[in-house]
Amino acid sequence: ELKVEQNPLFLSMQEGKNYTIYCNYSTTSDRLYWYRQDPGKSLESLFVLLSNGAVKQEGRLMASLDTKARLSTLHITAAVHDLSATYFCAVDVVGGGADGLTFGKGTHLIIQP
Amino acid sequence: DTAVSQTPKYLVTQMGNDKSIKCEQNLGHDTMYWYKQDSKKFLKIMFSYNNKELIINETVPNRFSPKSPDKAHLNLHINSLELGDSAVYFCASSRPLGGGLDTQYFGPGTRLTVL
Repeated sequence: ELKVEQNPLFLSMQEGKNYTIYCNYSTTSDRLYWYRQDPGKSLESLFVLLSNGAVKQEGRLMASLDTKARLSTLHITAAVHDLSATYFCAVDVVGGGADGLTFGKGTHLIIQP
Repeated sequence: DTAVSQTPKYLVTQMGNDKSIKCEQNLGHDTMYWYKQDSKKFLKIMFSYNNKELIINETVPNRFSPKSPDKAHLNLHINSLELGDSAVYFCASSRPLGGGLDTQYFGPGTRLTVL
């Protein structure tokens, strides 16, 4: 059974600081996804990482994927309050087809002024 | 021009009732999904479906059944509702990307409360 573990599960940080969220998964996969969820809202796709060594950046967020270590990171640079949300990583199995995504438990991020 | 829509947004009902949640996507995607998000925000796949194959997560009770009248719709029927079914249910869709999945686009969610 595929397992996806995120840490930390809860993070409170100050504006202007940098931090990294980690996502480990238990089986071979070349595809990793990061989503953002605001309270009471749907999931918004942030990044799709499709190969080993993939790195993507959007604003203050940067995601990377190391398939050999089965590890993805989401790095936050100079955090601002608007980035407060819950962040999920998700993985699909190799050759996944239509099996759906397995999600981590989410990282609840609070950024304080 | 909503990509993935669900109705209703909120659903409050009594134990033992049967209810349905509707989902429609206008993205032309081939594959649709239902996910359950519990009170701790844990997200779990329930079903995935394309026009050829239904894949069911083995942990989903058979009281839950997806029905797809066409490629753009995947409705969720729930029979004999139980207290533990209270959750937010998300519909999603995607298109295949090579041998795997493109990103999934999620609907706004349906908050189901069973009393």
